[in-house]
Amino acid sequence: QVQLVQSGAEVKKPEASVKVSCKASGYIFISQGITWVRQAPGKGLEWMGWISPYNGKRNYVEKFKGRINMTSDTPTSTVYMDLWRLRSDDTAVYYCARGGGPGRQYLDVWGKGTTVTVSS
Amino acid sequence: SYELTQPPSVSVSPGQTARITCSGDALPKQYASWYQQRPGQAPLLVIFKDSERPSGIPERFSGSSSGTTVTLTISGVQAEDEADYYCQSADSSGTLDVVFGGGTKLTVL
Repeated sequence: QVQLVQSGAEVKKPEASVKVSCKASGYIFISQGITWVRQAPGKGLEWMGWISPYNGKRNYVEKFKGRINMTSDTPTSTVYMDLWRLRSDDTAVYYCARGGGPGRQYLDVWGKGTTVTVSS
Repeated sequence: SYELTQPPSVSVSPGQTARITCSGDALPKQYASWYQQRPGQAPLLVIFKDSERPSGIPERFSGSSSGTTVTLTISGVQAEDEADYYCQSADSSGTLDVVFGGGTKLTVL
């Protein structure tokens, strides 16, 4: 079955960086984009950006530009999201989801989420 | 920046019909999707392209669109439907940035 398996929880200090992985299986990896969404404690969903594993095209939310990078590795069917210069308000659950990008805005399969805690 | 507006909460009794609205200027031009999120779980797609239902989603979930408003309707609400519901669409300015509504807490009385 189609699934996205994310890496484990992380605890980071302010100004550090974090790299979250998302391994896809059960479908042709390069056929669909991967979107990253985060959710701060008690808050709603926040779209962070999208990457196409097919051609590497990316689109990031303006507020993260300059401190975010998304990459994909086709041989391992894995997408990575790097976020640096972490702040306390980056504490959230980070989800990867299949979909997003031109022509397929909906997100039909989600990972279980990765909790990132930023604390001194 | 583009925004989608949802009511913070909706309450219904079991067996009744719940309607959750989502308003946004670009909705006449961009499809909307709906996600259900139960506490401690990842979101689950329940409606896409305004009114299409993924396989495995009960028929009591339906979606509709009219002008700048899309609506998620849950007919014959069950206790298990109590959750947060988020609408999602895209900016029509050309950036295709994705945006989520603020979420609606559905309470089954």
